[in-house]
Amino acid sequence: QKEVEQDPGPLSVPEGAIVSLNCTYSNSAFQYFMWYRQYSRKGPELLMYTYSSGNKEDGRFTAQVDKSSKYISLFIRDSQPSDSATYLCAMSGMEYGNKLVFGAGTILRVKS
Amino acid sequence: NAGVTQTPKFQVLKTGQSMTLQCAQDMNHNSMYWYRQDPGMGLRLIYYSASEGTTDKGEVPNGYNVSRLNKREFSLRLESAAPSQTSVYFCASSVGARANVLTFGAGSRLTVL
Repeated sequence: QKEVEQDPGPLSVPEGAIVSLNCTYSNSAFQYFMWYRQYSRKGPELLMYTYSSGNKEDGRFTAQVDKSSKYISLFIRDSQPSDSATYLCAMSGMEYGNKLVFGAGTILRVKS
Repeated sequence: NAGVTQTPKFQVLKTGQSMTLQCAQDMNHNSMYWYRQDPGMGLRLIYYSASEGTTDKGEVPNGYNVSRLNKREFSLRLESAAPSQTSVYFCASSVGARANVLTFGAGSRLTVL
């Protein structure tokens, strides 16, 4: 079993839809939770960064962490064609030192 | 700002050949990393360098070597390439040893025949 599970998609939605992207994990030692966005043929870029449980909002993006369920989510409101990308969840904890553990990524396609 | 620059962008090798992937960052970051990305596998850490003069193995180090040439540069060497090393390689850097906020390069696409 992978430490971090993420549905690969693709997830296809119409422009303006609310998108929900999710990851589950197995190790309760994870403390830091990130979402990276990767456009085709580009490197990932950090989108959201949260510590422990709770919500964090940044514009149209909301990151949610539920440590009791070992489940994290990224919500995108009013989705745009420019949001079409692969979204990678990542997480780390003190026992992981310098090592981020990534999910395999979910491909999102927003149709205009 | 160039950020993290990787060369080459594309490379085709034959089995057994060697090559070095180059990475340079201009953000004065202390830590640098090499990842590989394969379909369905996500990003996997090959080697990292927490600071100049140090290197450590990541999750999948076999078949690779690294050199932290100076604070800016971190190279990845394949001594005897194998088809299993066909992948997209990403270099990344971070300000400190806490690797949560990574800046990635654009990637190097390697095919081993």
